[in-house]
Amino acid sequence: DGGITQSPKYLFRKEGQNVTLSCEQNLNHDAMYWYRQDPGQGLRLIYYSQIVNDFQKGDIAEGYSVSREKKESFPLTVTSAQKNPTAFYLCASSSFRGAETQYFGPGTRLLVL
Amino acid sequence: GESVGLHLPTLSVQEGDNSIINCAYSNSASDYFIWYKQESGKGPQFIIDIRSNMDKRQGQRVTVLLNKTVKHLSLQIAATQPGDSAVYFCAENTAGNKLTFGGGTRVLVKP
Repeated sequence: DGGITQSPKYLFRKEGQNVTLSCEQNLNHDAMYWYRQDPGQGLRLIYYSQIVNDFQKGDIAEGYSVSREKKESFPLTVTSAQKNPTAFYLCASSSFRGAETQYFGPGTRLLVL
Repeated sequence: GESVGLHLPTLSVQEGDNSIINCAYSNSASDYFIWYKQESGKGPQFIIDIRSNMDKRQGQRVTVLLNKTVKHLSLQIAATQPGDSAVYFCAENTAGNKLTFGGGTRVLVKP
């Protein structure tokens, strides 16, 4: 069963805590992306990675960190520096061959306790 | 700055009628456009795409039209069904493989 998986589906964060969201894909895609979606709004790019061991900041990278040690995995850490982390987080992947469709995972909803 | 936007935030349509969702883009260098459907609590689902060397592309019950002269993109859904109720996003490919998303249009299908 190919696709993109994200876990957990719901995540609760306490004040001052770092939390990590998982994203895995078995599509053999080179590029992976993290987006943030606030209620009733569109998607904003947090970070993206076009190749293993390399990643770039998106439009709203402050308070977030990523790693890309394996082609299949692109975890996102929401750090305590992110003061407004409550949102729906979406991971996507694509074959990096110029303009290509990005395919999305089911998302993780992060809530602050 | 460069952006992708939508004219109508909410579209109510009678079941069986056709739906038209519009999107304006401002980056004339964009060469690839995608429409996504997002149901509540789920990730966006690819519907159809179009490259800038085309004006029209058809899928199953969906058609995307691209007017590069006025930088306008539209998604037409034929015979709209209750399962089509969702938020629809257009996205444009800007630098490399970075997508810029519009704000979304909610489609409500009335029985």
